[in-house]
Amino acid sequence: EAGVAQSPRYKIIEKRQSVAFWCNPISGHATLYWYQQILGQGPKLLIQFQNNGVVDDSQLPKDRFSAERLKGVDSTLKIQPAKLEDSAVYLCASSLNSARFFGPGTRLTVL
Amino acid sequence: GEDVEQSLFLSVREGDSSVINCTYTDSSSTYLYWYKQEPGAGLQLLTYIFSNMDMKQDQRLTVLLNKKDKHLSLRIADTQTGDSAIYFCAEVQNRDDKIIFGKGTRLHILP
Repeated sequence: EAGVAQSPRYKIIEKRQSVAFWCNPISGHATLYWYQQILGQGPKLLIQFQNNGVVDDSQLPKDRFSAERLKGVDSTLKIQPAKLEDSAVYLCASSLNSARFFGPGTRLTVL
Repeated sequence: GEDVEQSLFLSVREGDSSVINCTYTDSSSTYLYWYKQEPGAGLQLLTYIFSNMDMKQDQRLTVLLNKKDKHLSLRIADTQTGDSAIYFCAEVQNRDDKIIFGKGTRLHILP
């Protein structure tokens, strides 16, 4: 069974630039999550989708972050404009029941 | 609060057993997880335990759950150099199905 795929693996941008991350969940997993993991901390939920609907985006900084999952499969997370404090690993996860399976993450560095 | 707490570091000699401890907050948590994160990688689901279980064993891994004290532990028998990683404890809260992560325990293997 293929795991959760993410791209790119690494991204370096300057502050105020825009960036987008892509995630392809495990086939058949209806629930998709985006997490932000700052160095030295556990992952923090940004947004949760159930199929193509948003279940929870209470921790998403909506002034600069957006996410979509138009066809209920792949998802993109965008940051526009980026700030220095957005430097982190962005993890995508999917689940069928409660167990979350994580992708390798995208490491974002904002200079 | 929503804190899941773990010690930040653990050093163990190769071949010895490692015991990583965690305390959680939600007495009604349904699932408790252990994830492993190697450098530059995403989170790998190692094992999980249902809240109605006291113990779960899977090859070198033993999970013990003390619901009264809200204490979870992960024992790795015969620790190998490949076990060097950060181990995250996580609980799924019953009221909203949110997963809350600890800050991770960095396991260092001594030769």
